Amino acid sequence: DTAVSQTPKYLVTQMGNDKSIKCEQNLGHDTMYWYKQDSKKFLKIMFSYNNKELIINETVPNRFSPKSPDKAHLNLHINSLELGDSAVYFCASSPGLVTDTQYFGPGTRLTVL
Amino acid sequence: AQSVTQPDIHITVSEGASLELRCNYSYGATPYLFWYVQSPGQGLQLLLKYFSGDTLVQGIKGFEAEFKRSQSSFNLRKPSVHWSDAAEYFCAVGSPNQAGTALIFGKGTTLSVSS
Repeated sequence: DTAVSQTPKYLVTQMGNDKSIKCEQNLGHDTMYWYKQDSKKFLKIMFSYNNKELIINETVPNRFSPKSPDKAHLNLHINSLELGDSAVYFCASSPGLVTDTQYFGPGTRLTVL
Repeated sequence: AQSVTQPDIHITVSEGASLELRCNYSYGATPYLFWYVQSPGQGLQLLLKYFSGDTLVQGIKGFEAEFKRSQSSFNLRKPSVHWSDAAEYFCAVGSPNQAGTALIFGKGTTLSVSS
């Protein structure tokens, strides 16, 4: 029944490793997003896809690469992890434009040691 | 550039007391405004949103917010707070008519409820 799901919920890894976070939505939405929430709880957009096409790509290191195999999935792959990548990553989806309500997943807490 | 300011980092309110969380935005035109709530360890849930029309909008869980263009504000209110309202509250602005523009969030206000 979960609308927007993310896996894993927790991810602990060493510096320099490569990791992926998966996101799936069963709402039939066209647009999906990745947000990063830092230790001070500040939320910032990273990427957005609409119908599998990248439409927002904020100033994010190119070690971060989103991939959307289909409209219902938006995965986030991170290469060469750094300490500063430790954060909570939220996936969200909306029917279309930004003016639509965005539905958020439960978040993935990434800890880089 | 668009921005959202939530002046209060942390607010403590007694259970049953009224609540007002402040939000100010900076945007050239009429923005689309949102309030989200994040309970501990959870994702964000939309409380309410304003696009146009009546400047007083009602949301879920007994919350309301008022859009005041002259003050560039969109403050969130609740007449009587319950202990379960303790959470992080985020105000956000979105650009209308621009496909692909994401929400810009404020830094959040932590609400604590005392008994």
